[in-house]
Amino acid sequence: AQSVTQPDIHITVSEGASLELRCNYSYGATPYLFWYVQSPGQGLQLLLKYFSGDTLVQGIKGFEAEFKRSQSSFNLRKPSVHWSDAAEYFCAVGARGNEKLTFGTGTRLTIIP
Amino acid sequence: EAGVVQSPRYKIIEKKQPVAFWCNPISGHNTLYWYLQNLGQGPELLIRYENEEAVDDSQLPKDRFSAERLKGVDSTLKIQPAELGDSAVYLCASSQGLALNTGELFFGEGSRLTVL
Repeated sequence: AQSVTQPDIHITVSEGASLELRCNYSYGATPYLFWYVQSPGQGLQLLLKYFSGDTLVQGIKGFEAEFKRSQSSFNLRKPSVHWSDAAEYFCAVGARGNEKLTFGTGTRLTIIP
Repeated sequence: EAGVVQSPRYKIIEKKQPVAFWCNPISGHNTLYWYLQNLGQGPELLIRYENEEAVDDSQLPKDRFSAERLKGVDSTLKIQPAELGDSAVYLCASSQGLALNTGELFFGEGSRLTVL
């Protein structure tokens, strides 16, 4: 069965600092990987996705993620965070032929001035 | 373009009462999902529709939960009777075709249920 682990429940960073949110997945074959963001009172919004090809994926709002098969990881990065990036971030894994998208428990990001 | 619309946004009920949530997906999206999001957790799939057919309802507690998607557009999720443990956010999402082909689910803002 597929699973996702987000080891950091809560991360606090200063505005302008770099960010890395960790995501580890478990799946036997090549996974489809996603990062979603949920702002307070809002629905989840797709940041980026990885299906195949280039392992460094660019997304919206200046985010990127790197797929590392050897580490079963898909970490999300941003070189310089903005106060508006404060939100909950969810990593998710799926697979072709299995429409079930499995989400991690999320990482809450707080931005301090 | 309008997004996924859900109502009500908030609902407070006594245990054992019924409750219903409504979802209007993005126009043209034939796949509709209901997810459950408990506090501090990621969303978990309850049911997936392709047009009006429920193709995956394996996670739906069928003793008290029911869902329908008449005419393959709007959908309703019902709980009867509600229990304290049902307090959560119920998310609706839609996609054009299978999300893992197109790569994107579009989520509504959710319906937050509190059972007292």
